[in-house]
Amino acid sequence: QKEVEQNSGPLSVPEGAIASLNCTYSDRGSQSFFWYRQYSGKSPELIMFIYSNGDKEDGRFTAQLNKASQYVSLLIRDSQPSDSATYLCAANSGGSNYKLTFGKGTLLTVNP
Amino acid sequence: DADVTQTPRNRITKTGKRIMLECSQTKGHDRMYWYRQDPGLGLQLIYYSFDVKDINKGEISDGYSVSRQAQAKFSLSLESAIPNQTALYFCATSDPRASGGNYEQFFGPGTRLTVL
Repeated sequence: QKEVEQNSGPLSVPEGAIASLNCTYSDRGSQSFFWYRQYSGKSPELIMFIYSNGDKEDGRFTAQLNKASQYVSLLIRDSQPSDSATYLCAANSGGSNYKLTFGKGTLLTVNP
Repeated sequence: DADVTQTPRNRITKTGKRIMLECSQTKGHDRMYWYRQDPGLGLQLIYYSFDVKDINKGEISDGYSVSRQAQAKFSLSLESAIPNQTALYFCATSDPRASGGNYEQFFGPGTRLTVL
């Protein structure tokens, strides 16, 4: 069973701080990794994807991938209350790019 | 804007009833998916389809069936609903040709289904 694991949280950070969200995956064949943000009762929306080892930055968000450790992370700089949501990590599964396995999500709360 | 829509948005039904959830997309994507989400359990794949003639079971297909009526339409049916099918259901689409080779999935707004 291919799995993607995340700490369920809640992770609480003060406004302006860096929030660090972590994810591990079990399928060494996974090549593509995605971070989605989901507000309560709403649908997941894509924040970032990463395919290569290292860092990828987009605005206040940085995704980090370490394939040797099977580890993916998302850093949110200058966290805002509007960043409060559940963050889902996903990895392509079974060697196929068109199926994603999702983690259960980490609930992030940014306190004003 | 190109979009993924789901109907109904909310549905309450009784045990044993047949229910159909519908998904339509104007993104022109060829791949469509149905997921269910339960509190604390993440997204679980029910069925997925690459085109009208290609339907595949996901992790939790028992008790569900699907129909891909057209490239843009993918319906999920619960033949005889039971209370543990109470969940939030999402439709999603993807198409690497339209996404520059990426495989991200785009989600509809969801259908909240309650089975009494």
